[in-house]
Amino acid sequence: QVQLVQSGAEVERPGASVKVSCKASGYSFTTYTMQWVRQAPGQRLEWMGWVNTANGNTKYAQKFQGRVTITRDTSASTAYMEVSSLRSEDTAVYYCARENFYDTGGHSIFDFWGQGILVTVSS
Amino acid sequence: DIQLTQSPSFLSASVGDRVTITCRASQDISNYLAWYQQKPGRAPKLLIYAASTLQSGVPSRFSGSGSGTEFTLTVSSLQPEDSATYHCEQVKTYPLTFGGGTKVEIK
Repeated sequence: QVQLVQSGAEVERPGASVKVSCKASGYSFTTYTMQWVRQAPGQRLEWMGWVNTANGNTKYAQKFQGRVTITRDTSASTAYMEVSSLRSEDTAVYYCARENFYDTGGHSIFDFWGQGILVTVSS
Repeated sequence: DIQLTQSPSFLSASVGDRVTITCRASQDISNYLAWYQQKPGRAPKLLIYAASTLQSGVPSRFSGSGSGTEFTLTVSSLQPEDSATYHCEQVKTYPLTFGGGTKVEIK
């Protein structure tokens, strides 16, 4: 069965970086793009970006451009997301999600999600 | 960016009630809307996509409708396990955006 298993909770200081992982199993890793979404306390879900797991291409929300890097390791069926220059507003649960296209127009759904990683930024 | 506004933000209803949640988009998104259910401490779960297509395995009491800028998620007969927060998401264009969520409580 499809599973996305994320790494454990992190506590970081402001200004530091954090790299979280998302290990996929139960399907061909390079067939599906991996998306990242975060949810800060009391806030709505926020799309961050994606990685094409086949060729490594990425796309980021403008808000995170230059501060977020999404990569993948096909040999490990794992996607990674690194956030640098952390600030308190980055305290959130970070989710990876598998993207599945449902039409030829490039529209997609997030059909499987990781369990989420709480990243706390605090001095 | 396309803004999504959900209403209400909170509702309390009894088991067996029919419940409707609305999601309004700031511009025409055709039918490129999905609905997710999220329980405390859990990841969102896809319920409906393309505004009205039920995801495999989702109970038939859930349904979606709408097109353009106004969409609804309906639960025809609310069950105890439906206590959760519901989110809409537009997939018309990047950046993908989500609504603010509707928390559903069982009386």
